[in-house]
Amino acid sequence: KAGVTQTPRYLIKTRGQQVTLSCSPISGHRSVSWYQQTPGQGLQFLFEYFSETQRNKGNFPGRFSGRQFSNSRSEMNVSTLELGDSALYLCASSTLVGDNSPLHFGNGTRLTVT
Amino acid sequence: SQQGEEDPQALSIQEGENATMNCSYKTSINNLQWYRQNSGRGLVHLILIRSNEREKHSGRLRVTLDTSKKSSSLLITASRAADTASYFCAPISNFGNEKLTFGTGTRLTIIP
Repeated sequence: KAGVTQTPRYLIKTRGQQVTLSCSPISGHRSVSWYQQTPGQGLQFLFEYFSETQRNKGNFPGRFSGRQFSNSRSEMNVSTLELGDSALYLCASSTLVGDNSPLHFGNGTRLTVT
Repeated sequence: SQQGEEDPQALSIQEGENATMNCSYKTSINNLQWYRQNSGRGLVHLILIRSNEREKHSGRLRVTLDTSKKSSSLLITASRAADTASYFCAPISNFGNEKLTFGTGTRLTIIP
């Protein structure tokens, strides 16, 4: 079974631009979560989607948004990029939401904002 | 949701030795999960221990849970260079529809 796939693996953007990251979950997994990881803040929860609905949201500004499609694939978008948005963005999938099933992570997208 | 606090922040040991790291949390849990992260990659689920379990084994991993002290420990026996990674715990409370949150982890370095 293929794992969680995140694209692109690396991305370099300029301040003020916007970016879209993609995540394909494990087949059959309907829950997708997104995390931001930086050296200073650690691993921060962004949001979680299940059946195309956002179920949970972390404390991030409205510049960060996401969505999930009917095939469970998910995208997250960051608009008006800031230098502080430079981070490793991780996507994780699981079978259900609320059943505490383990998360399966992709290898992330490394975003650098210059 | 709650996040665990891993201790120590960093640990260096010789290859072949055992490594122990701890996790503390604040409120009652349904289960607690441990994850490993190799540098620059995603987290990998290692083991899940339920609140009614006291100990669980998986290969060279041994996890204990003390709900009275609100703490868990992860023991890696006969460490190998490939165990070099950051380790995170994720305590899951009794409520459903809960997001997993993570602390800052324990950075384990195995010295060959």
